[in-house]
Amino acid sequence: KAGVTQTPRYLIKTRGQQVTLSCSPISGHRSVSWYQQTPGQGLQFLFEYFSETQRNKGNFPGRFSGRQFSNSRSEMNVSTLELGDSALYLCASSEGTGQNTEAFFGQGTRLTVV
Amino acid sequence: AQSVTQPDIHITVSEGASLELRCNYSYGATPYLFWYVQSPGQGLQLLLKYFSGDTLVQGIKGFEAEFKRSQSSFNLRKPSVHWSDAAEYFCAVGRYGNKLVFGAGTILRVKS
Repeated sequence: KAGVTQTPRYLIKTRGQQVTLSCSPISGHRSVSWYQQTPGQGLQFLFEYFSETQRNKGNFPGRFSGRQFSNSRSEMNVSTLELGDSALYLCASSEGTGQNTEAFFGQGTRLTVV
Repeated sequence: AQSVTQPDIHITVSEGASLELRCNYSYGATPYLFWYVQSPGQGLQLLLKYFSGDTLVQGIKGFEAEFKRSQSSFNLRKPSVHWSDAAEYFCAVGRYGNKLVFGAGTILRVKS
């Protein structure tokens, strides 16, 4: 079974631009979450989607948004990029949002804002 | 508020020596606890998890962790470290598998 796939792996954008990152979960997994990892703030939860609905949201500005499609694939979008948005963005999938579920992570997308 | 503390930013051990990485958590309900490992530039790999039951849990790569409710701790241990264990280790807490609060991580260096 294929793991969580994130594309692209690396991305360089200019301040003020917008970016879209993609995540394909493990087959059969219906929940997708996104995390931002930076040296200063560590790993922080962005949001979680289940069956195309946002279930939870972290403490990030509205420039960060996401969505999930009917095939469970998810995208996250960051608009008006700032230098501080440079980070490793990790996607995780799980079978559901109930108890006793575990999250499987992709390799991440490294975003650099210049 | 939920939080995870990993007191050690860096730890260096000799190959073959034992290892213990500390993790303390603060969580309102009975927590679910996880340890993940991350190699440079890579995603996170789950080492082990605690949901309920036996407080000593076994994971992959010879790792184990013990949940101690009275101390709000979930320390990771390995009896004999291998050079390939050098990586960053994250403790995480959550009630549901996909919304996790992570500690700051502990970087493990292994001396040969």
